[in-house]
Amino acid sequence: QKEVEQDPGPLSVPEGAIVSLNCTYSNSAFQYFMWYRQYSRKGPELLMYTYSSGNKEDGRFTAQVDKSSKYISLFIRDSQPSDSATYLCAMSANDYKLSFGAGTTVTVRA
Amino acid sequence: KAGVTQTPRYLIKTRGQQVTLSCSPISGHRSVSWYQQTPGQGLQFLFEYFSETQRNKGNFPGRFSGRQFSNSRSEMNVSTLELGDSALYLCASSLAVHSNTEAFFGQGTRLTVV
Repeated sequence: QKEVEQDPGPLSVPEGAIVSLNCTYSNSAFQYFMWYRQYSRKGPELLMYTYSSGNKEDGRFTAQVDKSSKYISLFIRDSQPSDSATYLCAMSANDYKLSFGAGTTVTVRA
Repeated sequence: KAGVTQTPRYLIKTRGQQVTLSCSPISGHRSVSWYQQTPGQGLQFLFEYFSETQRNKGNFPGRFSGRQFSNSRSEMNVSTLELGDSALYLCASSLAVHSNTEAFFGQGTRLTVV
């Protein structure tokens, strides 16, 4: 079993819909939680970072971390075709080695 | 300011050969991390360098090695290439050591081993 599980999708939604992404993990030592966006043929781009449990909002993006359930989520409101990409969750413990999910491919249909 | 630059962008090598990939971090960034991305395993951490010293290492065989120069540029080397080494190799830079939350990735080097 992988340390970080993420449904690879693909996920297809109409423009304007809410995109809901999530990851589960098994390592209770994870404290740093991140979401990256990766466009085709590009490197990952950091979207959101959360330390420990809680919610964080940045524009149309909301990240949630529930350490008790070992579950993290990313919500994208008012989705746009430009949001079409692969979204990767990542997390690390105090060793600062990032563990990534497999990535979820999202397509937002115009 | 310029982003993280990786060269070359694409590479084709034969089994048994060795390869060296290069990464130039964002100006002022002193930490460089390397990752391997494959469809099967996803993104996996290889190692991190800061001030010319390896500070962190993932679970890869000794065929994978790296180094960092005084100008923070980094190279990674893979010896005795295997077909399974075909992957996108990504480099990420950050200001300080262990600052994964502020890492900026390059576009990667696509290595194909035939």
